[in-house]
Amino acid sequence: DVKVTQSSRYLVKRTGEKVFLECVQDMDHENMFWYRQDPGLGLRLIYFSYDVKMKEKGDIPEGYSVSREKKERFSLILESASTNQTSMYLCASSFMRQKIFGSGTQLSVL
Amino acid sequence: AQSVSQHNHHVILSEAASLELGCNYSYGGTVNLFWYVQYPGQHLQLLLKYFSGDPLVKGIKGFEAEFIKSKFSFNLRKPSVQWSDTAEYFCAVLSNFGNEKLTFGTGTRLTIIP
Repeated sequence: DVKVTQSSRYLVKRTGEKVFLECVQDMDHENMFWYRQDPGLGLRLIYFSYDVKMKEKGDIPEGYSVSREKKERFSLILESASTNQTSMYLCASSFMRQKIFGSGTQLSVL
Repeated sequence: AQSVSQHNHHVILSEAASLELGCNYSYGGTVNLFWYVQYPGQHLQLLLKYFSGDPLVKGIKGFEAEFIKSKFSFNLRKPSVQWSDTAEYFCAVLSNFGNEKLTFGTGTRLTIIP
C-alpha cells in the first residue's frame, strides 16, 4: 500500500523555536508538496519540489523554508515559529497529476 | 492566478436526502478537476477526478460530479446521503500540468443527521 508518512501527528512548540516537519513517501514520486489547512481557508500551498534539491514557492511561503536532499524526503522548516503558524500541515506527493496525502501534523505554537 | 470557490461552507442534511455541493473555478484554459474528502480524524482522500472526455464522472461511495465548461463549474452530487458521508469536502483545480500545483477551494463541511 503506497504511503506518505508524516513523522508527527501532533507537535507543540514555543514561539521562536526552529521547527522541522518531516515527510517521507515510498512511491518514488518526483513531485512533493507542503500545504497548510486552516478552517475556512481550505488548503494553501506553502512550497513544492519537483526534484531533489529543487524547490519552488507556493502561495504562502513567508516564514517557511524547505529541504529536499533525497527523493523520498521533503522537510518543511519554520525558522522561527510564530503563533500564526499554528495550523494543520499536510504533505503530499504526486505522480501523473494524482496526489497522495499524509495524515497531517497538527502544530501548535505557544 | 487560478482560484476555486466553494460557496457552501456548512451543509446539514438528513439521511437519504440528495446532495449537491457547488464548485466554481476561474481559469479559461484546460483544467483537471478534483474532489477530495476528509473524514473526521482521517487524511485527505481522492473522491473523483476529471481529466477529459465524459463530463459526468463517477467516484467512490456513490458520488458523481459534472464538469460544465461554460459555467466553469464542477459540482459534486449524491442522490441519497448516509450518516457516514459526514466529512469535509474540497474541490481543487490543476491548470499547470508541469508542476502539478493544485489549487483548493475553502472546503464545505457536510453534516448528515441520522
